[in-house]
Amino acid sequence: QSALTQPASVSGSPGQSITISCTGTSSDIGTYNLVSWYQQHPGKAPKLLIFEVNKRPSGVSNRFSGSKSGNTASLRISGLQAEDEGDYYCASYGGTSVVLFGGGTTLTVL
Amino acid sequence: EVQLVESGGNSVQPGGSLRLSCVASGFTFSSHSMNWVRQAPGKGLEWVAYIRSESSYIYYADSVRGRFTISRDNDKNTLYLQMNGLRDEDTAMYYCARDTYGEPTGYYDLWGRGTLVTVSS
Repeated sequence: QSALTQPASVSGSPGQSITISCTGTSSDIGTYNLVSWYQQHPGKAPKLLIFEVNKRPSGVSNRFSGSKSGNTASLRISGLQAEDEGDYYCASYGGTSVVLFGGGTTLTVL
Repeated sequence: EVQLVESGGNSVQPGGSLRLSCVASGFTFSSHSMNWVRQAPGKGLEWVAYIRSESSYIYYADSVRGRFTISRDNDKNTLYLQMNGLRDEDTAMYYCARDTYGEPTGYYDLWGRGTLVTVSS
């Protein structure tokens, strides 16, 4: 099983919207609606933002939204804020009882 | 307070062993599947191992299978990771993470702060 593919970095200005992609295969993202997204700030543990492709846990801002098309999942962040700067990871059930993570995307708020 | 607290990380030589622990509090530990996830310095997240609530199902990443053993003691609200045959590439922050489903889905709603394992001669 290979890791999921994410862009290494994305950037945007405050107030803008950005999208981070997460590409897998027909064996993982393409088959299962079990994609999660995490935010991680330096020196901190990851924080769950999205689960089951597009569901938000209680307490997570509605500026964060998830979607999926085919083998690619996406995380959209609208109304960018300085506090959104950090690393973002996707995760998916990979079939055969394994979990796959993406390589991570660093978001810079300009 | 609902939390997970890892411990046991240390510096060890290649080929050595360590046992990590993760103590849960504030929730019914025995009702949840649990995982270990690691992150090498400056790198991304990597799923390591999963254990179901009653230890009936256990799964490992290929990179650690045969060397690491995940276990739990529900009476002590504690998750363990026994790591043997450690390699340089096992150097990482190790997080325990609470799962929400009965299968390893990658949906972790609670994480600990991590414990650092360094493998070096």
